[in-house]
Amino acid sequence: NAGVTQTPKFRVLKTGQSMTLLCAQDMNHEYMYWYRQDPGMGLRLIHYSVGEGTTAKGEVPDGYNVSRLKKQNFLLGLESAAPSQTSVYFCASMRGAGGHEQYFGPGTRLTVT
Amino acid sequence: GENVEQHPSTLSVQEGDSAVIKCTYSDSASNYFPWYKQELGKRPQLIIDIRSNVGEKKDQRIAVTLNKTAKHFSLHITETQPEDSAVYFCAANPGSNYQLIWGAGTKLIIKP
Repeated sequence: NAGVTQTPKFRVLKTGQSMTLLCAQDMNHEYMYWYRQDPGMGLRLIHYSVGEGTTAKGEVPDGYNVSRLKKQNFLLGLESAAPSQTSVYFCASMRGAGGHEQYFGPGTRLTVT
Repeated sequence: GENVEQHPSTLSVQEGDSAVIKCTYSDSASNYFPWYKQELGKRPQLIIDIRSNVGEKKDQRIAVTLNKTAKHFSLHITETQPEDSAVYFCAANPGSNYQLIWGAGTKLIIKP
């Protein structure tokens, strides 16, 4: 099992450019999450999904969109990147409700200049 | 909604000593409390968790205690080693069940 994987690992964007981050999990988990982590800071939830075809806003959703067309994939889009979106982005998945471990991907380091 | 506070933000201990990190939560419906360790440049990984029907859980040098009445839970690391240096996050699973509410993190420094 690969667990949770993220593509790409690193990316540099210019202000105004767009990009999509891909998260994939092979554990058949229902729930998936996108977090951002700024240097020396904690985890902030951007968007999450509780099943295929569903998405919901988290704590800091502005400037991001998501899609979950397939159960194993969760995509995070930046339509018009801003320097404030420079961060490390982590995807995570969880089996379902009832309190379970969240499994994290290795992260994507994004720099917006 | 649920709010999780974590203290201290930085903890420096001598190698071999014990370390204790504390978290408080606000939602009495929360029923699952995990602790994650994040080494520099790596992803967060679960190290131990506890459910609301248990008061204490141990795994070798680490333990977690839960006081539901006071709404706080703590991570205890004994006989600290250099590889324990990392950022530790606590979290709580509120009644909604679909997300974790995270503490701000504690940077643990082990002094040789």
